[in-house]
Amino acid sequence: AQKVTQAQTEISVVEKEDVTLDCVYETRDTTYYLFWYKQPPSGELVFLIRRNSFDEQNEISGRYSWNFQKSTSSFNFTITASQVVDSAVYFCALSVINNLFFGTGTRLTVIP
Amino acid sequence: EAQVTQNPRYLITVTGKKLTVTCSQNMNHEYMSWYRQDPGLGLRQIYYSMNVEVTDKGDVPEGYKVSRKEKRNFPLILESPSPNQTSLYFCASSLRTGAQPQHFGDGTRLSIL
Repeated sequence: AQKVTQAQTEISVVEKEDVTLDCVYETRDTTYYLFWYKQPPSGELVFLIRRNSFDEQNEISGRYSWNFQKSTSSFNFTITASQVVDSAVYFCALSVINNLFFGTGTRLTVIP
Repeated sequence: EAQVTQNPRYLITVTGKKLTVTCSQNMNHEYMSWYRQDPGLGLRQIYYSMNVEVTDKGDVPEGYKVSRKEKRNFPLILESPSPNQTSLYFCASSLRTGAQPQHFGDGTRLSIL
């Protein structure tokens, strides 16, 4: 069975602090994809990143970075120097074949 | 503009009254999918479609039907809605498979009384 766990339900940080959102996944498949999506207060879902199971390279995009570790089945997301616009619910998701499994989300609030 | 369009955006209805939520995409995507979002549960996949006339169950298909007669459209049908189907529904599409980034519609908030 596939499962995605985001243990942090809510996180609050003060602007300019760094914050890491945790994601742990479970699957027995050797080929899978991991995603992060952002849901701002306006409600839409925005794609942030995709990683396949054979590519453990970390990635940095501006203030965002992602750490994928197969050994611990984790795909964590770090925001550096957080801003108020980063306030949103963030979802980690696992794709196996054509099914997509989401975590329960982490609500991030950045306080000015 | 590339988009996934859902209608209606909001609907309040009563138990047992059949309803359809439409979903249309203009990106010529092969893969389309429906999700429901509930507090504390995240998003859960209801059904997906790999192409015209090809549909398959997701994680929570009970109580829902879908059809894919045209590539651009993927309606979600609730034949006999019940209060436990009150939720926020999202339609999404991607180029070919569920392993690719999905474009989401703006969501449909359904309330079943």
